[in-house]
Amino acid sequence: AQKITQTQPGMFVQEKEAVTLDCTYDTSDPSYGLFWYKQPSSGEMIFLIYQGSYDQQNATEGRYSLNFQKARKSANLVISASQLGDSAMYFCAMRGLNDYKLSFGAGTTVTVRA
Amino acid sequence: NAGVTQTPKFQVLKTGQSMTLQCAQDMNHEYMSWYRQDPGMGLRLIHYSVGAGITDQGEVPNGYNVSRSTTEDFPLRLLSAAPSQTSVYFCASTNERFGANVLTFGAGSRLTVL
Repeated sequence: AQKITQTQPGMFVQEKEAVTLDCTYDTSDPSYGLFWYKQPSSGEMIFLIYQGSYDQQNATEGRYSLNFQKARKSANLVISASQLGDSAMYFCAMRGLNDYKLSFGAGTTVTVRA
Repeated sequence: NAGVTQTPKFQVLKTGQSMTLQCAQDMNHEYMSWYRQDPGMGLRLIHYSVGAGITDQGEVPNGYNVSRSTTEDFPLRLLSAAPSQTSVYFCASTNERFGANVLTFGAGSRLTVL
């Protein structure tokens, strides 16, 4: 069984600043994948970034980077140079590497202020 | 490309009524799944399928039935709706079991049970 914990229900960030969203996880799988999804107010789920547990380097995708600390079982999302369009709910998720099923955290709402 | 199509987008039911949420994908994806999203709880897996004729329970299956007679369709049935089933429902699919198997989500179906 996998458990994802996002302890920040909501955050405010000033436009152009960076923000870090916390995610910790627990799993008995030796290999796993970690994901971040964005859900804007329109409701759709948008994939942002993926990190495999055996990847040597932290994943980056444009302004998104994943601060992966395997020993601490954390996979924090960093959004650099925040934009107003980054205001959304963000979900951390994970699955075993040989599994289709994805487990989600409770989510963090980010509000970007002008 | 239609991707994952969910219908209806909105539905209001009375307690005890039955209904089916439809999900269709045109990407020949092997894996299909249903999630429900509730405030403060993230997305929770209801049922999933790894191919036609194969279904299995997720984290919160009670009160829901599914079937998978074709690769394309994965309907979710509520046999006797209860107010606790008021939620936003997402269908999601993927064809990748390994690596960054990003789920493609439908637009969601908002269900209210009175």
